[in-house]
Amino acid sequence: DVVLTQSPATLSVTPGERISLSCRASESVDTYLHWYQQKPNESPRLLIKYASQSISGIPSRFSGSGSGTDFTLSINGVELEDLSIYYCQQGNSLPFTFGSGTKLEIK
Amino acid sequence: EVQLVESGGGLVQPGRSLKLSCAASGFTFSNYYMAWVRQAPKKGLEWVATISTSGSRTYYPDSVKGRFTISRDNAKSSLYLQMNSLKSEDTATYYCARDGRGNWFAYWGQGTLVTVSS
Repeated sequence: DVVLTQSPATLSVTPGERISLSCRASESVDTYLHWYQQKPNESPRLLIKYASQSISGIPSRFSGSGSGTDFTLSINGVELEDLSIYYCQQGNSLPFTFGSGTKLEIK
Repeated sequence: EVQLVESGGGLVQPGRSLKLSCAASGFTFSNYYMAWVRQAPKKGLEWVATISTSGSRTYYPDSVKGRFTISRDNAKSSLYLQMNSLKSEDTATYYCARDGRGNWFAYWGQGTLVTVSS
């Protein structure tokens, strides 16, 4: 199974900061890497597909990059509403797997 | 507007069975692969099952293979998950999700909680 390791586990940030969250795969997943946001007591929401492709309705401050085994989700100008857990997920091979998440806390 | 509404969760004893349902609307159900993803309390996300558009192909992780069965009724725009031989570690919120034609989950329901306990 492909193991996705997300870091850091928790990130405390100040509104307005630019931040980067990491997702590292145990083997290459090409660009079949997708990002989700889960706000407290809500269902997950797709943020980025295929490592860097934007999703309609998602604010432009969210962007993704990477390929192979190393991926990054960036938030350019964190806002209070971004308080969430962020998960990466690979769809390159079965079983589909998720990372353990990065929790974003707002200072 | 895409809507996915799960139902059927509840408290069930270990070893028993439960069937979840998901009612889909706002899109042509028969054109999309569908999936179930679960989340144990205070834990991360775990993919549980995927089914092809016609229902002829199904996929599961080892953790549920042989115990869970995903199915669909395209005429009713409905997705199902039959869960047998339930274990305490199956306790989770189960989400219905529409596959994004690339093994990613474009839309999610609100989830239904399954608690396996004696």
